[in-house]
Amino acid sequence: DQQVKQNSPSLSVQEGRISILNCDYTNSMFDYFLWYKKYPAEGPTFLISISSIKDKNEDGRFTVFLNKSAKHLSLHIVPSQPGDSAVYFCAASAEQSWGKLQFGAGTQVVVTP
Amino acid sequence: GAVVSQHPSWVICKSGTSVKIECRSLDFQATTMFWYRQFPKQSLMLMATSNEGSKATYEQGVEKDKFLINHASLTLSTLTVTSAHPEDSSFYICSARGLTSGPYEQYFGPGTRLTVT
Repeated sequence: DQQVKQNSPSLSVQEGRISILNCDYTNSMFDYFLWYKKYPAEGPTFLISISSIKDKNEDGRFTVFLNKSAKHLSLHIVPSQPGDSAVYFCAASAEQSWGKLQFGAGTQVVVTP
Repeated sequence: GAVVSQHPSWVICKSGTSVKIECRSLDFQATTMFWYRQFPKQSLMLMATSNEGSKATYEQGVEKDKFLINHASLTLSTLTVTSAHPEDSSFYICSARGLTSGPYEQYFGPGTRLTVT
């Protein structure tokens, strides 16, 4: 059963605009959430994370928002750049799972000029 | 820092043969390594977790006799797909966590594309 869901398989956004990627989870034991970026035939690279004790974390152009009551998180990228075109994975972990990550299916982002 | 390599990057093998994939942490000591597989347009699915010097812990539904994992040193883990079949064709990715890493830190390798004919 998929515990982390990214319901939008793809997203197209114009350069300079905001990209908003969404992620939902079902396991209330998850207490740490991460976003990864992945290019084809490469491993994921870490972007940004958030602990369940926070509702927002910002790092440059990337901001992650967490709504625990809705079991929902989102990644905002602003402004979007052509180099942001990639697949973005949401991942979640529970302290009791010793750092094992559950991944969503990913969202393909295409940034157009 | 925190570079993880995988070898080979891609491999084609015949059905019934075995293939070994290596995962190395190049500039840090990896106490824990994770093995994932990814089917096209799907998420990364954790197959197993290995701690150096210990037996790997496999996720539910993963055949431990088919996917042999060895983590004999702090810089090397291997995944051997035994008696491979076409349905084992997938993208296999490893990740590593170091001695000084936080519990959620994982550094991913570039992946290995396995095609079984």
